[in-house]
Amino acid sequence: KQEVTQIPAALSVPEGENLVLNCSFTDSAIYNLQWFRQDPGKGLTSLLLIQSSQREQTSGRLNASLDKSSGRSTLYIAASQPGDSATYLCAVLVFSSGSARQLTFGSGTQLTVLP
Amino acid sequence: KAGVTQTPRYLIKTRGQQVTLSCSPISGHRSVSWYQQTPGQGLQFLFEYFSETQRNKGNFPGRFSGRQFSNSRSEMNVSTLELGDSALYLCASSLAGASSYNEQFFGPGTRLTVL
Repeated sequence: KQEVTQIPAALSVPEGENLVLNCSFTDSAIYNLQWFRQDPGKGLTSLLLIQSSQREQTSGRLNASLDKSSGRSTLYIAASQPGDSATYLCAVLVFSSGSARQLTFGSGTQLTVLP
Repeated sequence: KAGVTQTPRYLIKTRGQQVTLSCSPISGHRSVSWYQQTPGQGLQFLFEYFSETQRNKGNFPGRFSGRQFSNSRSEMNVSTLELGDSALYLCASSLAGASSYNEQFFGPGTRLTVL
């Protein structure tokens, strides 16, 4: 059974710092990995998607890497801003029976960027 | 292009009642998945529908059911509500074609409170 772990559970940094969020998964048979952002009481916003054959993806100040063999992904946020404060969730898309797929989520990292 | 929409956004019910939640996917998306989010269990997969067929189901009791219509809109039903069903219910849609990246896009969620 696929399990996804995110470390740390919470992180507080001063504005302007670069930071790294970690995600690990137990089964390397994934279709892709997605990083999401969730603001309190809201839905999930997709940040980056990495296909299983890719090593990294970049979008603005965000960079996500994937090492499928070791079951790890990192989300790098450059020059953090107070508006980056949110919970960041990592999820892997896995195959179940036939062509059915489902996301397995980590428990998230709650990020606070202090002005 | 409009995003994933969910109705209603908030719902209050009492134990024993039943509830129906609705999800309209992004235009052209044929796969709709449902997730339950609670503080204790995090995000858990409920089921996935593709072309009006349930393709995958998570580990939830039979009180949780769903369906998908020919226009890809989906509904989720929970019968005989229990206090523990209080949660944020999230719907996600994706293209789910063979050549697609299967990126999942989430709606804002329906907050269900069971009293």
